[in-house]
Amino acid sequence: GEDVEQSLFLSVREGDSSVINCTYTDSSSTYLYWYKQEPGAGLQLLTYIFSNMDMKQDQRLTVLLNKKDKHLSLRIADTQTGDSAIYFCAKDTGRRALTFGSGTRLQVQP
Amino acid sequence: DAGITQSPRHKVTETGTPVTLRCHQTENHRYMYWYRQDPGHGLRLIHYSYGVKDTDKGEVSDGYSVSRSKTEDFLLTLESATSSQTSVYFCAISESKGGTDTQYFGPGTRLTVL
Repeated sequence: GEDVEQSLFLSVREGDSSVINCTYTDSSSTYLYWYKQEPGAGLQLLTYIFSNMDMKQDQRLTVLLNKKDKHLSLRIADTQTGDSAIYFCAKDTGRRALTFGSGTRLQVQP
Repeated sequence: DAGITQSPRHKVTETGTPVTLRCHQTENHRYMYWYRQDPGHGLRLIHYSYGVKDTDKGEVSDGYSVSRSKTEDFLLTLESATSSQTSVYFCAISESKGGTDTQYFGPGTRLTVL
């Protein structure tokens, strides 16, 4: 089966860049997603990338995909306290469903 | 927010009782999903639906059933709740946009089984 893994916790200072990493096992062509979950809330789609791309940038967010290493990262530039949340990496299973990583809790120190 | 609501938002129940969670969407999406979220596991797919009366199992479907008699409603039933089903349950829809089928999530239902 498919497996998506993330580190559990990341702490950064306000204004620094944050890099959240994700690895996956299935190399089939598909979409990969980043979601953000704030406390007590549902998941909010941040961005996505197709597996034939290397990079996608959207304002402060940059997604990098290394297909050879099956490694996906989300970089948040100029991290703010409002970016404190849990970030989930997810991969399309091909049945229009998603497999999620366990989430990375980002803590932004003022 | 893709017009997704979930009810109830919080529920406490006792082991052995039946529980039904409701997901309602207002935008006529064909695909709907139920996930559960537990610490250390991210979100795991319970069941999904690809149309009225068309459903299929996900990776953690044991102990759950679903029904979809109308496009807008997708119900998740725990026939006899157990403490291991204490979790936060999220409903999602799938929308085709920008060449991909993107999932959007409801606000979640926190279920506690005592």
